[in-house]
Amino acid sequence: GEDVEQSLFLSVREGDSSVINCTYTDSSSTYLYWYKQEPGAGLQLLTYIFSNMDMKQDQRLTVLLNKKDKHLSLRIADTQTGDSAIYFCAESMEGGGNKLTFGTGTQLKVEL
Amino acid sequence: DTEVTQTPKHLVMGMTNKKSLKCEQHMGHRAMYWYKQKAKKPPELMFVYSYEKLSINESVPSRFSPECPNSSLLNLHLHALQPEDSALYLCASSQGLAGQETQYFGPGTRLLVL
Repeated sequence: GEDVEQSLFLSVREGDSSVINCTYTDSSSTYLYWYKQEPGAGLQLLTYIFSNMDMKQDQRLTVLLNKKDKHLSLRIADTQTGDSAIYFCAESMEGGGNKLTFGTGTQLKVEL
Repeated sequence: DTEVTQTPKHLVMGMTNKKSLKCEQHMGHRAMYWYKQKAKKPPELMFVYSYEKLSINESVPSRFSPECPNSSLLNLHLHALQPEDSALYLCASSQGLAGQETQYFGPGTRLLVL
């Protein structure tokens, strides 16, 4: 199966860290992505991780991958109001024609 | 430059109209995609073009007709749409289809069918 699940909603205070979680069921996934979508806009690629990695850090973003549990997370440090958006994880599989399977999306709300 | 552009930004059409959505990229990417996205839902893949040839059609109704006139352009021709086709239509591109090629998305065309 190719179900990718995320919690629907997350609310944090400005300055705190946000952790957005994603679980997937297909162990053959090779690349996992995080996209951000602001209201009325397209998808912005934030970061991605190869399946042979455990962690990737890029400025305020940290991606953790637990292949055993098929769990992916995105941590945003020092969350700002501009981080309010919907965050989608997505997976692609080798030999899958570069098809992305998206998660259900998590709406992040940052409060002052 | 990782920009994918889409026109128009907004489109309102009647069920008997014919219209077209356009997508353009100048990153030298050889794969281009159309997605449909309903509010608060993830994007759903519609079509994939690779080297200007249709590679994937996800059982999309024939009232949607894609066209790839060259490697930089992707069109989606619309005819006799239904109100349930109202959605955000997203275009994306990637270097290829190797399964490890990052997809870059355009801002989308918001379509309303009356």
